[in-house]
Amino acid sequence: QIQLVQSGPELKKPGESVKISCKASGYTFTDYAMNWVKQAPGNGLKWMGWINTQTGKPTYADDFKQRFVFSLETSASTAYLQINNLNIEDTATYFCTRAPGWFAYWGQGTLVTVSS
Amino acid sequence: DIVMTQTPSSQAVSAGEKVTMSCKSSQSLLYSENKKNYLAWYQQKPGQSPKLLISWASTRESGVPDRFIGSGSGTDFTLTISSVQAEDLAVYYCEQYYDTPLTFGSGTKLEIK
Repeated sequence: QIQLVQSGPELKKPGESVKISCKASGYTFTDYAMNWVKQAPGNGLKWMGWINTQTGKPTYADDFKQRFVFSLETSASTAYLQINNLNIEDTATYFCTRAPGWFAYWGQGTLVTVSS
Repeated sequence: DIVMTQTPSSQAVSAGEKVTMSCKSSQSLLYSENKKNYLAWYQQKPGQSPKLLISWASTRESGVPDRFIGSGSGTDFTLTISSVQAEDLAVYYCEQYYDTPLTFGSGTKLEIK
């Protein structure tokens, strides 16, 4: 069956970086783009952008163009989200979710806590 | 950006009751070439990932109980739960995938009396 399994929770200090993984199984990784969605505590869902799993080209939503990096390790069917220069507002659960534009498959989410 | 507005923000109902929730988009989600509405509904239970209930405004996902009904077209959409069950306690989100950036509504929290 199709699964997206994300890495575990992270506790970071402001200014540090974090890299979250999302390992896909049960389908051909390069057949579908991977999207990332942010959910701050008690808040709704915000689409961060997507990465083309065939070319590796990322597309970022406007609010996520500066410190956020999507990448792939295609041989391992894994997508990554890196956040640089973390700040308190980055505290959230981050989900990977498989395209197409409606999201039938989601990772379990990775909680990133930024605290001094 | 397409703005998605969901109402109400929360709703409390008794088990067995019918509930409706609204989602309005700031522009039409109906693509003229294929006559499809690019609108999805999700259910998110506490501590869980969102679960896709409905795509294309009214197509129920496999395994989703038939008490969940999506309707509407253009800019006005509705999710109806015909007979609420206790396990339906969740936040419900609509999402448009007509254009990027993909956008979600702010959610309707369903509480069971």
